[in-house]
Amino acid sequence: GQNIDQPTEMTATEGAIVQINCTYQTSGFNGLFWYQQHAGEAPTFLSYNVLDGLEEKGRFSSFLSRSKGYSYLLLKELQMKDSASYLCAVRYNTDKLIFGTGTRLQVFP
Amino acid sequence: EPEVTQTPSHQVTQMGQEVILRCVPISNHLYFYWYRQILGQKVEFLVSFYNNEISEKSEIFDDQFSVERPDGSNFTLKIRSTKLEDSAMYFCASRSPETEAFFGQGTRLTVV
Repeated sequence: GQNIDQPTEMTATEGAIVQINCTYQTSGFNGLFWYQQHAGEAPTFLSYNVLDGLEEKGRFSSFLSRSKGYSYLLLKELQMKDSASYLCAVRYNTDKLIFGTGTRLQVFP
Repeated sequence: EPEVTQTPSHQVTQMGQEVILRCVPISNHLYFYWYRQILGQKVEFLVSFYNNEISEKSEIFDDQFSVERPDGSNFTLKIRSTKLEDSAMYFCASRSPETEAFFGQGTRLTVV
């Protein structure tokens, strides 16, 4: 199957940096997305990677290694409002997104 | 900023009843989707829709489910005879060829 694996939970301190990893099966890969989801709300788009390397967007960066089937989302200068679930989603040969279970991040003061 | 809107935000229905979940995708988008998320679980793909027809559907999307684009703006998901296990948050999403998928705020469906 097309399993997307990411840690279930992480904790970090306000102002710190946290890295959330995601691994996926490489066959048919056609793009990786990171979404943020606050409890009871819709996923909101954070980043998209289809080529190897780092994409930076303000405090958030996302990295992709296609050969390793690996991505990470890096959050810098953490704020309390960053407490949320972070969803890794992969698009394979078709148009649909396959989501991981999400990583619930708790930021403490 | 344009957004995907869904109604109702919360729907409670009795088992066996039909429900229709409504979505208004972003106006210039051409690709439409329904996903669902059972409480505490991951977001799961249900169906994608393009050019007035289903382009792909998952195993979850059985004969009890149907989608329709009745006019130029609405996109609906119908569940013909709801089961307890259909209780979930249902998300509509849309995108253009150049963008990522934008998700609506969801409809929380509770089947009792």
